[in-house]
Amino acid sequence: GAVVSQHPSRVICKSGTSVKIECRSLDFQATTMFWYRQFPKKSLMLMATSNEGSKATYEQGVEKDKFLINHASLTLSTLTVTSAHPEDSSFYICSATSPASGKMDTQYFGPGTRLTVL
Amino acid sequence: SQKIEQNSEALNIQEGKTATLTCNYTNYSPAYLQWYRQDPGRGPVFLLLIRENEKEKRKERLKVTFDTTLKQSLFHITASQPADSATYLCALSGSGGYNKLIFGAGTRLAVHP
Repeated sequence: GAVVSQHPSRVICKSGTSVKIECRSLDFQATTMFWYRQFPKKSLMLMATSNEGSKATYEQGVEKDKFLINHASLTLSTLTVTSAHPEDSSFYICSATSPASGKMDTQYFGPGTRLTVL
Repeated sequence: SQKIEQNSEALNIQEGKTATLTCNYTNYSPAYLQWYRQDPGRGPVFLLLIRENEKEKRKERLKVTFDTTLKQSLFHITASQPADSATYLCALSGSGGYNKLIFGAGTRLAVHP
């Protein structure tokens, strides 16, 4: 149980285009989802927290107009990287919590999306 | 600011031995400490969670200790296997709310046959 998927797993795009990444909880309802980015051999850095039906909370230094987050349902959150540039190239990972499972303190992570901006 | 330190150098051990990884933190009083495994190009996989009022937690070949005085957690893998080779991440969180996690950079473990 507690499976989280991400799509796509890899994406290559041209500079200036927008890219949408989907995060789905497959077998549970996730009231809260998180978006992270990770550079090679570095720690996961939290970008934003997404609660279903409300606006995302962004971490300091993360541009909300650059990284658009939508959490329209209890099983889907999307991250859109707008006007992507090479410095946005990174590994983007989402996670979800499952209050109904009684394991509120545990986050279940997706497999990640490798974004390369040319 | 909050800081989590994990040994950045890879830990190389022989199969069958016990691997011990360290997580130290400063400027934080976490309610929970978690350990995750991450394989290259993949998302982290949850392994164990220990609460601030717990000293030790075990799960199969895994053992975690949590010393809030030393601000340190040790993560042990007994009878290690080559399949245990991965990067292990330590993460801290407070209580209540939406469980914002702060991650360490991880320690790479390599178990040699």
